[in-house]
Amino acid sequence: KQEVTQIPAALSVPEGENLVLNCSFTDSAIYNLQWFRQDPGKGLTSLLLIQSSQREQTSGRLNASLDKSSGRSTLYIAASQPGDSATYLCALKAAGNKLTFGGGTRVLVKP
Amino acid sequence: SAVISQKPSRDICQRGTSLTIQCQVDSQVTMMFWYRQQPGQSLTLIATANQGSEATYESGFVIDKFPISRPNLTFSTLTVSNMSPEDSSIYLCSVAGLAGQGIEAEAFFGQGTRLTVV
Repeated sequence: KQEVTQIPAALSVPEGENLVLNCSFTDSAIYNLQWFRQDPGKGLTSLLLIQSSQREQTSGRLNASLDKSSGRSTLYIAASQPGDSATYLCALKAAGNKLTFGGGTRVLVKP
Repeated sequence: SAVISQKPSRDICQRGTSLTIQCQVDSQVTMMFWYRQQPGQSLTLIATANQGSEATYESGFVIDKFPISRPNLTFSTLTVSNMSPEDSSIYLCSVAGLAGQGIEAEAFFGQGTRLTVV
């Protein structure tokens, strides 16, 4: 059974610092990995999708890497802003089209 | 990407009653799913909504409690039946497979329905 872990569970940084969010998983037989953002009480916004054959994806200040051999993905957010404050979730897609989510990292960027 | 409209956005319901949540997508999608997010927790898959046939439920979820319909490729409903305070959660609709994409398809989520049972 796939297990997805996100460490740390919470993170607080001053504005301008780079954010590094970690996601680890136990089963490397995945189709893709997706990073989401969730604001309090709201739905999920897709940030980046990395296919199994890819090593990284970039969008603006966001960069996500995938290393299946070590069971890890990292989301980097450059030059953080207070508007980046949210919970960030990683999710893996495996057989059956099912997404397995990590517990999330709650980020606070202080002005 | 897909635009997903989920209704209602929030509701407060009496125990013992039922609530039906609607999910409308602006384009045809292959796959539709329903998730639950309990307070302070991550997301758990309830079921896969199958067009024209019974939904496929995950372990711990049953059709009598969470009946699901999917009459076409753009619409689905989830009903939370005979509610108790333990059902208080955010319920989220998710879609994947726009334009016939397959297993590699990106997943998109609605804004969720915040349910409080009193």
